[in-house]
Amino acid sequence: GAVVSQHPSRVICKSGTSVKIECRSLDFQATTMFWYRQFPKQSLMLMATSNEGSKATYEQGVEKDKFLINHASLTLSTLTVTSAHPEDSSFYICSAISQAGPEQYFGPGTRLTVT
Amino acid sequence: LAKTTQPISMDSYEGQEVNITCSHNNIATNDYITWYQQFPSQGPRFIIQGYKTKVTNEVASLFIPADRKSSTLSLPRVSLSDTAVYYCLVGDQGAGSYQLTFGKGTKLSVIP
Repeated sequence: GAVVSQHPSRVICKSGTSVKIECRSLDFQATTMFWYRQFPKQSLMLMATSNEGSKATYEQGVEKDKFLINHASLTLSTLTVTSAHPEDSSFYICSAISQAGPEQYFGPGTRLTVT
Repeated sequence: LAKTTQPISMDSYEGQEVNITCSHNNIATNDYITWYQQFPSQGPRFIIQGYKTKVTNEVASLFIPADRKSSTLSLPRVSLSDTAVYYCLVGDQGAGSYQLTFGKGTKLSVIP
């Protein structure tokens, strides 16, 4: 089956620094990738939709200048959390859709802790 | 996007069949119904997807009545490893709009 990887799986950073999370589709080309955030004991919340070669579409309430998304190729999307604060600590999950569609394949998630 | 309603939690003994029902009264004509499983600190895993009637794969069955306002995920003979959160989602995945809205999900606890 289709595999989506994320790197790093866990990251701890200091408040005010920036963190980049990578999402890769390993064995298929992803026309669209999604970024979700999940707080403890809560459901996944969609942050943004990323299409290769174009600007990401952000959900209402998500700051595009704080959560920078780059979908530079059909196999890679990156999420950069800029000037991270403790309230940004969360589980970030990406998903990807192949050109064949429509199933979404989810990555294993990245645990971000901001101290 | 159609909103879904599921029970918050369910308990089941090992070896039993578990049925989780999801309500989606505002489902649109082009919407598909998809179920995902999520273990703690992992990304969701696709279980099954359907549009109408019944769909079966190697891990589950999905029952969808004619009015499509609800659906039931059936897990046969659950084991301890099936303890997870199960999400029901509806969305139009046939027209290039693949956005999925996750509801609160159902936390299934399998008891030995």
